[in-house]
Amino acid sequence: DVKVTQSSRYLVKRTGEKVFLECVQDMDHENMFWYRQDPGLGLRLIYFSYDVKMKEKGDIPEGYSVSREKKERFSLILESASTNQTSMYLCASSLLGQGSSGNTIYFGEGSWLTVV
Amino acid sequence: AQKVTQAQTEISVVEKEDVTLDCVYETRDTTYYLFWYKQPPSGELVFLIRRNSFDEQNEISGRYSWNFQKSTSSFNFTITASQVVDSAVYFCALSEEMNRDDKIIFGKGTRLHILP
Repeated sequence: DVKVTQSSRYLVKRTGEKVFLECVQDMDHENMFWYRQDPGLGLRLIYFSYDVKMKEKGDIPEGYSVSREKKERFSLILESASTNQTSMYLCASSLLGQGSSGNTIYFGEGSWLTVV
Repeated sequence: AQKVTQAQTEISVVEKEDVTLDCVYETRDTTYYLFWYKQPPSGELVFLIRRNSFDEQNEISGRYSWNFQKSTSSFNFTITASQVVDSAVYFCALSEEMNRDDKIIFGKGTRLHILP
């Protein structure tokens, strides 16, 4: 079974803090993604990566950065957390890299971040 | 324009009733993929089905069935004899061949309540 593991399920951080959300997948997938999910807005793509050290902006990258130093690990970084970044964050991965489409994306359990 | 529309924001049915979740998509691509995911209260999005645009056969998996109709750009999901464990948010999603980064476009989800 594909396993996407997010290191923290629930976090509470203060405004201005630097926040790291970690994600690890165990299926040697090339693609990894970070989404945020908000009521009424559905899932919105923040960043994705199709290879180590590669990253691409999604639909809402402002206020976020990412790091992909190893194939299995994709980190989302909030440089200076703000209250409007309170949300549920979902990491995902899929097999095969750029040049294909339609591959199934597998998700982690989500990280609930509250910024106070 | 929204590419995946789930017009039903929230549905409540009594246990053992059948329920259909609607999904309408929009694409100019001739090759595309459609997905359904289930998100239980725990938060993780669970993959249910993937269907490519060339396969219009309906699919049945236990109490779940999917009706794909290209003529109406719809990919509806029916749960037969619903159970309380089916309570979740269900997302329909689209991946287009011309989008080569495996980014998929999600609908905003339908929250399904199965009442005992």
